[in-house]
Amino acid sequence: EVQLVQSGGGLVQPGGSLRLSCAASGFTFSGYWMHWVRQAPGKGLEWVANITPDGSEKHYVDSVKGRFVVSRDNAKNSLYLQMNSLRVEDTAIYFCARLKDPDKDYWGQGTLVTVSS
Amino acid sequence: DNQMTQSPSSLSASVGDRVTITCRASQGVGDDVGWFQQKPGKAPKRLIYGSSNLQSGVPSRFSGSVSGTEFTLTISSLQPEDFATYYCLQHNTLPNSFGQGTKLEIK
Repeated sequence: EVQLVQSGGGLVQPGGSLRLSCAASGFTFSGYWMHWVRQAPGKGLEWVANITPDGSEKHYVDSVKGRFVVSRDNAKNSLYLQMNSLRVEDTAIYFCARLKDPDKDYWGQGTLVTVSS
Repeated sequence: DNQMTQSPSSLSASVGDRVTITCRASQGVGDDVGWFQQKPGKAPKRLIYGSSNLQSGVPSRFSGSVSGTEFTLTISSLQPEDFATYYCLQHNTLPNSFGQGTKLEIK
């Protein structure tokens, strides 16, 4: 059974840092692009970042470029999102996801990041 | 960046109605568009991939189509469990981008 189990998140002050993790199981993790998607309270979905299967390419939405870093450890079947210089507007539920067509999509349970003083 | 303009932002309909939701891409995205359903407190779930392909296990009342850069999700006969928020997602150009969402409510 494919599972994506997220950890990390919580309350952080503006300017602070946080690292999210996403532990994958039930599939060959090293064979898939992985994504981070976020949803601010009461708002729509926003695609944040993705990473190639071997970790050699990473792509970001403009609003997080230079502040967030997506990475993966294929030996540990884990995906990460290092978030630095956090802003109030980064407050959201963050999801990791596997979205490869035509397979079924898989999502983590989501983790809340709150940026507030 | 490639913007996905989704309409309407909200829609009120009755069980049995036929509804359509549209996303227009600001740049060409080929067929690389998916449609997602999200219910409150839950992760999204993809219904359609590749613009018009039904994800396995999704009821056949859901369908997707494309005309140029305009993508459409149609629900042929609304069921009570279909009241949710729907999003399109393009994954042809980077950064990938979602539409703003359509909240489908019971009339």
